[in-house]
Amino acid sequence: GAGVSQSPSNKVTEKGKDVELRCDPISGHTALYWYRQRLGQGLEFLIYFQGNSAPDKSGLPSDRFSAERTGESVSTLTIQRTQQEDSAVYLCASSIDRGSNQPQHFGDGTRLSIL
Amino acid sequence: AQSVTQLGSHVSVSEGALVLLRCNYSSSVPPYLFWYVQYPNQGLQLLLKYTSAATLVKGINGFEAEFKKSETSFHLTKPSAHMSDAAEYFCAVSATFSGGYNKLIFGAGTRLAVHP
Repeated sequence: GAGVSQSPSNKVTEKGKDVELRCDPISGHTALYWYRQRLGQGLEFLIYFQGNSAPDKSGLPSDRFSAERTGESVSTLTIQRTQQEDSAVYLCASSIDRGSNQPQHFGDGTRLSIL
Repeated sequence: AQSVTQLGSHVSVSEGALVLLRCNYSSSVPPYLFWYVQYPNQGLQLLLKYTSAATLVKGINGFEAEFKKSETSFHLTKPSAHMSDAAEYFCAVSATFSGGYNKLIFGAGTRLAVHP
C-alpha cells in the first residue's frame, strides 16, 4: 500500500506478557518514529530511527520498551512484561528524510489493552 | 527549545460557523509548523504545513492557517464548519537536535465538536 501500515490494529493481552508491534513505513522513507497516545491525550514521542539506527531513544519510558528497524523498512516495538499503564494507542510515522520541513505520515496505530 | 501550546482543549461550534483553533509556538529559529487532524480510531492526517514560502497556508478540507511571527501564532481556521470536521486537531513544530536530525513537537490537541 501507499501509506504507513501498522499491525495488529488491536491487541489485548494479560499483564506480564510481552507484545510486539509492527510498523511498515512508506517505501523510501528513511526516518521512522514511534509515539504513544494515551486515551484523550496528545502524542508522546518514544523513539526515532534514521535508517536502521536510533539517534534518539529518549522517549522510551523504561527498559521494558525496545525497538528495532531492519534497514529502511519494517520496525518493531517490543514491550516486555506489560503493565496496565502501557495501555494506549501506539502510532508509527515515517518521513522521506530527516529534514525539518518534511511532514510525518502516520499509520492508524495499534490499540493496546492490558488486562 | 521548541514548544507548542494549543489554547482550548475543547472547541464547540455550530454547523456553518467559523472554526478557529489556536496554536502558539516557541522557537529560537524560524519554525516549520504543521497542523494534523485525527478522526476517531485513525492515525494523524496532515492538514497543512508552513515552511516559510507564504504566511497564509491553505490545506485540505477547506482549512487554512496564517503564520504570524510577531504573535508567534499559527492558528487554524475554516470559514464554515461541517459535521464531518468533528475530530481532534494537533499543532506541531519541527525541532532540530544536535546530531542534525529533526522531530515534531506536538501540542496537546484540541477536540472540535460540531453541532447542528
